[in-house]
Amino acid sequence: EIVLTQSPGTLSLSPGERATLSCRASQSVSSSYLAWYQQKPGQAPRLLIYGASSRATGIPDRFSGSGSGTDFTLTISRLEPEDFAVYYCQQYRSSPQTFGGGTKVEIK
Amino acid sequence: QVQLQESGPGLVKPSGTLSLTCAVSGGSISSSNWWSWVRQSPGKGLEWIGEIYHSGSTNYNPSLKSRVIISVDKSKNQFSLKVSSVTAADTAVYYCARGLLGLTGAFDIWGQGTMVTVSS
Repeated sequence: EIVLTQSPGTLSLSPGERATLSCRASQSVSSSYLAWYQQKPGQAPRLLIYGASSRATGIPDRFSGSGSGTDFTLTISRLEPEDFAVYYCQQYRSSPQTFGGGTKVEIK
Repeated sequence: QVQLQESGPGLVKPSGTLSLTCAVSGGSISSSNWWSWVRQSPGKGLEWIGEIYHSGSTNYNPSLKSRVIISVDKSKNQFSLKVSSVTAADTAVYYCARGLLGLTGAFDIWGQGTMVTVSS
């Protein structure tokens, strides 16, 4: 099973700042099979990025994904108030699909 | 647009069987998508349980495989989850989700989730 480790656990930032979230895999995922989700309290996760760098339908362009192999990054260029949430990465390269433990982006 | 809605008992007794259904509306379960179940324990992360294609093909998480059955009912445009021999560790919010077209992961549509508590 591929283990995904996200860092940092919590990111304290102010609106307008840039957020950089990391996801490291225990073995190569290949860039085609890495997704990022946003989850707010009481809500289901929302797909932001798939294929490591493709934005899902309706996702603002301030969200971008990059990386390959075992190291991936989600960048939020300028944080909006609605972006404060928990973010998860997911690999679907091999079964079982697995998720990272999450990074909470909180208001500083 | 496609929407998913989970339904089922919110309370299950230990050693019993958890049964949930996911109704698909606004689209067909026979589309070229895989349909998954994902759970999230209180205050914890996300765990993929398994998936099904409209043909009936399934894939399960090995950690749960011996206790899980996912089935599809094309006539009702829905799919279902059964988890047997449940314990308190199975207490979680259960989500159904749709994989992006042609992919087994990258879930672009999710149900709202349903909380299932295992307790006597």
